[in-house]
Amino acid sequence: NAGVMQNPRHLVRRRGQEARLRCSPMKGHSHVYWYRQLPEEGLKFMVYLQKENIIDESGMPKERFSAEFPKEGPSILRIQQVVRGDSAAYFCASSLPGGPGNTIYFGEGSWLTVV
Amino acid sequence: AQSVTQLGSHVSVSEGALVLLRCNYSSSVPPYLFWYVQYPNQGLQLLLKYTSAATLVKGINGFEAEFKKSETSFHLTKPSAHMSDAAEYFCAVSKGQGAQKLVFGQGTRLTINP
Repeated sequence: NAGVMQNPRHLVRRRGQEARLRCSPMKGHSHVYWYRQLPEEGLKFMVYLQKENIIDESGMPKERFSAEFPKEGPSILRIQQVVRGDSAAYFCASSLPGGPGNTIYFGEGSWLTVV
Repeated sequence: AQSVTQLGSHVSVSEGALVLLRCNYSSSVPPYLFWYVQYPNQGLQLLLKYTSAATLVKGINGFEAEFKKSETSFHLTKPSAHMSDAAEYFCAVSKGQGAQKLVFGQGTRLTINP
């Protein structure tokens, strides 16, 4: 049973380009989360999605960032017109539906470097 | 709002010594509490979680944590440290009543001295 799969693992973008990060949840999981980890900091919640629905995007920057989890295919975190401050590790996680006690499983992360 | 404070951004212990990583939480509702471990350049792995059953929770790799409501704490311990325990440890809280968003502490980097 594969875990949460993220790709690419490492991505380098020039300022102003777009970054697309993909996440396939664990088999059977319909809930996906994106977290960002800035250097020397803990993880910060960005967005929580179910299939075709954004449930909570309270942690998403108001501009340039968007996320989707379509009916078919992986979840995508999209960052438009990247800036140096977007350089971070982006972690996707997934869980079964249910309550807050459910375990949330994390992927290996995607490291974005903006040059 | 839920929050987590991890006391000590760096902890260093000798191999074979007791490991104690501190976590205090703030929550207006009964919390669900988690400890995750992160090895360099990797994702987070769940060590253990508290979901209002037993207050002493046993996890993987010999770790355990005790939920103390009166102290709003959920400290992580291991009786005897091993070199392979060197990693970053994160405490997290998830509030009740349907929310599955985790709020993480700043993390504690554990170093094991030979």
